[in-house]
Parts: sequence; C-alpha cells; structure tokens
Amino acid sequence: GAGVSQSPSNKVTEKGKDVELRCDPISGHTALYWYRQSLGQGLEFLIYFQGNSAPDKSGLPSDRFSAERTGGSVSTLTIQRTQQEDSAVYLCASSLGAYSAYEQYFGPGTRLTVT
Amino acid sequence: QQQVKQSPQSLIVQKGGISIINCAYENTAFDYFPWYQQFPGKGPALLIAIRPDVSEKKEGRFTISFNKSAKQFSLHIMDSQPGDSATYFCAASMDTSGSRLTFGEGTQLTVNP
Repeated sequence: GAGVSQSPSNKVTEKGKDVELRCDPISGHTALYWYRQSLGQGLEFLIYFQGNSAPDKSGLPSDRFSAERTGGSVSTLTIQRTQQEDSAVYLCASSLGAYSAYEQYFGPGTRLTVT
Repeated sequence: QQQVKQSPQSLIVQKGGISIINCAYENTAFDYFPWYQQFPGKGPALLIAIRPDVSEKKEGRFTISFNKSAKQFSLHIMDSQPGDSATYFCAASMDTSGSRLTFGEGTQLTVNP
C-alpha cells in the first residue's frame, strides 16, 4: 500500500516568507509525528498528533512554527517569517497509535532551504 | 535527561566484517529502544527494536545488545555487506510521551567491497 507522502519534496524560500509543508499519513494511522533533520541538530522531534489533537508541542522551536491536522488525516506544518536556521529536512511519520507497539513509518521528507 | 548519545560518528568496515554502533541514554523512563536505517534522500526506516526487559534481540544479521544497568545499547551488524552502507540512528521513547522518538546523532556506515 501507499506509504507516508510529503509535499513538496523540495522548497526554496526567501528569508521572511511563510511556508507550508504537507504530510499525508498512511490511511488508518491515528498518530502523526513531525521531526526535523539538520546538520547541526540531528533528528529532533517537533510535535505529534493523536487524531486531530496535539498533546505534545514541546519540540516546536519557536512560535513561528505551528501545525494542524484535519480529519484525522492530512497534517500541515507552517513556518512563518522563515529564517536561515530553519533550513533542514522536515520529516513526517505516522503510526497506528501513539504507542511504541506501533512502528512509526517515515515519509521521504521535505527539504527546506531558506535563502 | 532526554539525550541519547551515539558513537562512532562514522564507521568503515570491510565486507564480511562486524559493524558495531553504540548508544547511551540518561532517562531511565525510556522503555523502547529502536534502531533506524536511513539511505540518502529517504526517510529513516525501522531496522530492529528492543525493550529493557531483554538483554539481546537478534533478527537475521542484526543484533541489539542492551545493558540496563549501564544505560547502554548497541547494534551489531554481522557479515556486513556494501548494501548496508547507510546512516544508522539509535533512538529511545516512552509510551507516556506518546512514543515521540529521541534520536542519537547518527553513524554513517560504509562497507567496502
């Protein structure tokens, strides 16, 4: 079946612009996670959803970052007023539930470059 | 408390050799320890995972060794193959935090033919 998909695959934006990154999880997966992968910080957790609720937003680096999930499916990560330090690969993962018994399946990521 | 430390940063092994990657954690509340494999341009994929109630888990050529008292765990790749060349991440999570993954820094493994 289809895996986790993310769009766009690459995004180049100018400093100060807003960007939206999209994640389509595997159908039926109730838990959805956003991570960021950068050279300086490695792989770091940003936020996760159980259904449409976000119980843990503690990984969001600043109030310029926000995310939502609608219909228990698609999620959008929005970065406002982008900065150069936001350049990274943004990864989305989904699982059957927010428990370790369920494997997290990762998408290919969106590579964001802020110029 | 939330960190997972991984070593080495890079590793070069000859085909047929054993690759060993080590991780250490601080938070004793972690209850799940997976290893992920990542190829360039792809997202990480689960390779093998262990819980702290067992000391070793083997799946094919991949083995996790877990030392709860030392708060350390390691990945052993037996008979390493060029196709194993990738970046490997250890991670840790706990169900009370929604199983969010805390990752190690990653190890870039190169297996020479």
